Amino acid sequence: DAKTTQPPSMDCAEGRAANLPCNHSTISGNEYVYWYRQIHSQGPQYIIHGLKNNETNEMASLIITEDRKSSTLILPHATLRDTAVYYCIVRVYSGGSNYKLTFGKGTLLTVNP
Amino acid sequence: GAGVSQSPSNKVTEKGKDVELRCDPISGHTALYWYRQSLGQGLEFLIYFQGNSAPDKSGLPSDRFSAERTGGSVSTLTIQRTQQEDSAVYLCASSPQSPGATNTEAFFGQGTRLTVV
Repeated sequence: DAKTTQPPSMDCAEGRAANLPCNHSTISGNEYVYWYRQIHSQGPQYIIHGLKNNETNEMASLIITEDRKSSTLILPHATLRDTAVYYCIVRVYSGGSNYKLTFGKGTLLTVNP
Repeated sequence: GAGVSQSPSNKVTEKGKDVELRCDPISGHTALYWYRQSLGQGLEFLIYFQGNSAPDKSGLPSDRFSAERTGGSVSTLTIQRTQQEDSAVYLCASSPQSPGATNTEAFFGQGTRLTVV
């Protein structure tokens, strides 16, 4: 399975952009990058995903390098409610309809007032 | 219901007892995952069901752990002879998955907090 590496923690000032990095140097050509976040005492929540093009939705932007070995999740204007653990995941495809999401330890993002 | 439902939300059990944790996935979702999260840790993959395929049990930590998914819907995770190190939050997720799907977003339940005393 492709592994991901994330910094254990980051801080960000409220209103500023939060840029969360992720390394996935062993990713294969058909494996997607997914980001989830987990706010304290809740189940993880899907944020965004991508294959090779940059993606944007109402929550965040995802920038994937051309060689696909790393990506960055961008929260353009972080709020206090964005304080959470952010997980970068490579979705492993094993044929048919079989996909697997393997979570690492994630990055604890703390947004400070 | 609209989301993934897990029951019970909290379970306290004595060491050595068996426990069953239940997950009701979102209707129509073919994939179902179980994860375990110990205090302050990330999510540890346990088992994955997809349609009629054989489940991926590679994450089950010991033979005391087992899971079933009946009729492609409800799933039960069973822990036999519980130990204190089994104390954790057990999370279930479901996902709509089909061949070649580009988005297989997983929807998580709120988890069952298991405490073994």
